[in-house]
Amino acid sequence: SQTIHQWPATLVQPVGSPLSLECTVEGTSNPNLYWYRQAAGRGLQLLFYSVGIGQISSEVPQNLSASRPQDRQFILSSKKLLLSDSGFYLCAWSVRASGRLIYEQFFGPGTRLTVL
Amino acid sequence: AQSVAQPEDQVNVAEGNPLTVKCTYSVSGNPYLFWYVQYPNRGLQFLLKYITGDNLVKGSYGFEAEFNKSQTSFHLKKPSALVSDSALYFCAVRDTNTNAGKSTFGDGTTLTVKP
Repeated sequence: SQTIHQWPATLVQPVGSPLSLECTVEGTSNPNLYWYRQAAGRGLQLLFYSVGIGQISSEVPQNLSASRPQDRQFILSSKKLLLSDSGFYLCAWSVRASGRLIYEQFFGPGTRLTVL
Repeated sequence: AQSVAQPEDQVNVAEGNPLTVKCTYSVSGNPYLFWYVQYPNRGLQFLLKYITGDNLVKGSYGFEAEFNKSQTSFHLKKPSALVSDSALYFCAVRDTNTNAGKSTFGDGTTLTVKP
């Protein structure tokens, strides 16, 4: 069966420090991968998505970046954190759509980031 | 551009009563609709989806959803609520223009089931 891992679970970082959040998926190949941010326990904002190694699409301008160095690894980074980067970060994967087959997303447990 | 609206921030029901969490959508083309549930400090869990076919979709934990094309709605329902159903519920619509599988999520509805 498929599993998605995220770490760390919680993180407290000072303003201006770097960030690296990692997400890995097991039990599947060629997944679509996504990074979301959830503020104040409400709606999800899609930050990045990837349909393959090295292929990253950004949804919103910000000081975050993403990379996909391996098929099942997705990394969210920042060189200098802002207070506004605080939130709950969720990684998700889905099976790549094929023809008329449409697939749901599977979410990781999330990382709670607090920037002080 | 596609969008999803969940008009209620909060829904309160008594245990054993039926529950409905509302969702309306706006898309160009065929709608692909999803419901997810989130428990505190956890990731989202998939409940059910509508792609095509029967308007009544059955999913996990006894939940079902009714697709209504004329009203552009996809309301989540359960005949008899449990206290353990208390959580944050998200409706989502999938982008049909690419194979990236991107989805637009509603702002969420907090369901509270009281004993």
